[in-house]
Amino acid sequence: DGGITQSPKYLFRKEGQNVTLSCEQNLNHDAMYWYRQDPGQGLRLIYYSQIVNDFQKGDIAEGYSVSREKKESFPLTVTSAQKNPTAFYLCASSIRRSGTSGSNEQFFGPGTRLTVL
Amino acid sequence: GQQVMQIPQYQHVQEGEDFTTYCNSSTTLSNIQWYKQRPGGHPVFLIQLVKSGEVKKQKRLTFQFGEAKKNSSLHITATQTTDVGTYFCGLAAGNKLTFGGGTRVLVKP
Repeated sequence: DGGITQSPKYLFRKEGQNVTLSCEQNLNHDAMYWYRQDPGQGLRLIYYSQIVNDFQKGDIAEGYSVSREKKESFPLTVTSAQKNPTAFYLCASSIRRSGTSGSNEQFFGPGTRLTVL
Repeated sequence: GQQVMQIPQYQHVQEGEDFTTYCNSSTTLSNIQWYKQRPGGHPVFLIQLVKSGEVKKQKRLTFQFGEAKKNSSLHITATQTTDVGTYFCGLAAGNKLTFGGGTRVLVKP
């Protein structure tokens, strides 16, 4: 089956600990994204990557870090510097569109619900 | 950055009735995408609109892109309980999307 997997589905951590969320895709997509969703809210972009070994900050990158060593994987680390890390984290991927016109549809993983105690 | 507003934030609909949700941007858009997120689930792509004034239909869902490419609407006819969820618009800029806050739809049987 092709798709995006995120693990674990639920994650609990103590305050002050770093935690890494996994995102893997076998869709052969170049672009990958991390979003944060708070209860009853929309999606806010944390980081995105359009190609291996390259990534850019999104709208709320502070307190987060990412790496893109492989095309299939885009792990997100929530650091202790993130003041309010409890949220639903969604990873997505898409075909990277060349040029400047528009964007391709994004395929989302099932998400990880992070609770910091 | 891009500003996007979705209205209404909540929509309570009687089963069988129609409703419309709107997405408004402060800037002219290259394209707009719509996604649906079921309760407890993840967003799923519905459609992409590219041309000014474009109208696309998916069964009971009708999507429209404004003539000035600054707004879009999603109209659902004869609402069913399967329509429950949150509908998001996403504004495209390069290879990233800026999402609206969503319209949460609740259906009364």
